[in-house]
Amino acid sequence: NAGVMQNPRHLVRRRGQEARLRCSPMKGHSHVYWYRQLPEEGLKFMVYLQKENIIDESGMPKERFSAEFPKEGPSILRIQQVVRGDSAAYFCASSSGQGRNQPQHFGDGTRLSIL
Amino acid sequence: AQSVAQPEDQVNVAEGNPLTVKCTYSVSGNPYLFWYVQYPNRGLQFLLKYITGDNLVKGSYGFEAEFNKSQTSFHLKKPSALVSDSALYFCAVGHSGGYQKVTFGTGTKLQVIP
Repeated sequence: NAGVMQNPRHLVRRRGQEARLRCSPMKGHSHVYWYRQLPEEGLKFMVYLQKENIIDESGMPKERFSAEFPKEGPSILRIQQVVRGDSAAYFCASSSGQGRNQPQHFGDGTRLSIL
Repeated sequence: AQSVAQPEDQVNVAEGNPLTVKCTYSVSGNPYLFWYVQYPNRGLQFLLKYITGDNLVKGSYGFEAEFNKSQTSFHLKKPSALVSDSALYFCAVGHSGGYQKVTFGTGTKLQVIP
């Protein structure tokens, strides 16, 4: 299966710990997007990356959150010093182009729970 | 700025009946429109897109959508609903002018009643 792979599927952290969420895009895709979804809510855009570059991080909280997409390896969404409000499902998507007319392909998400 | 509205939080339809899930959009320039479906504990799956051309777009699982420029709408339709169509449906919009992230609607929960 060459789909978007996210791991872990479930992640439990205590307040103040760090959470690292990983996303491997579909083969041949160089554009990655991260979204956050709260129960009964829609998708909230967080960040759009191309290889080694952040293109748009307008949806990313200014503190504690960071994202990268290195030349080699998966994209990482990092949340430092997690708080209860960070509990959500985080989805990664990838596309082959700039996303304007290419559909995004989604992973099955990482469900982050903060104790 | 671009935006998309899904005015119904939930749509209920009887199995075998036609279904419509509504979506309206606002964008400068030519719109790119998408529909996605999300099943429980899964990511979004692409159903169909409108870029240009015929206003009626056919997609996966028998779904289709009609682009209406004058009403700025892109409603999702299916002639005969299945119980297995019950899921969360998202409309999304992008546009042709430069980089612009795709904006997703808040989603509509479709419940098909046996």
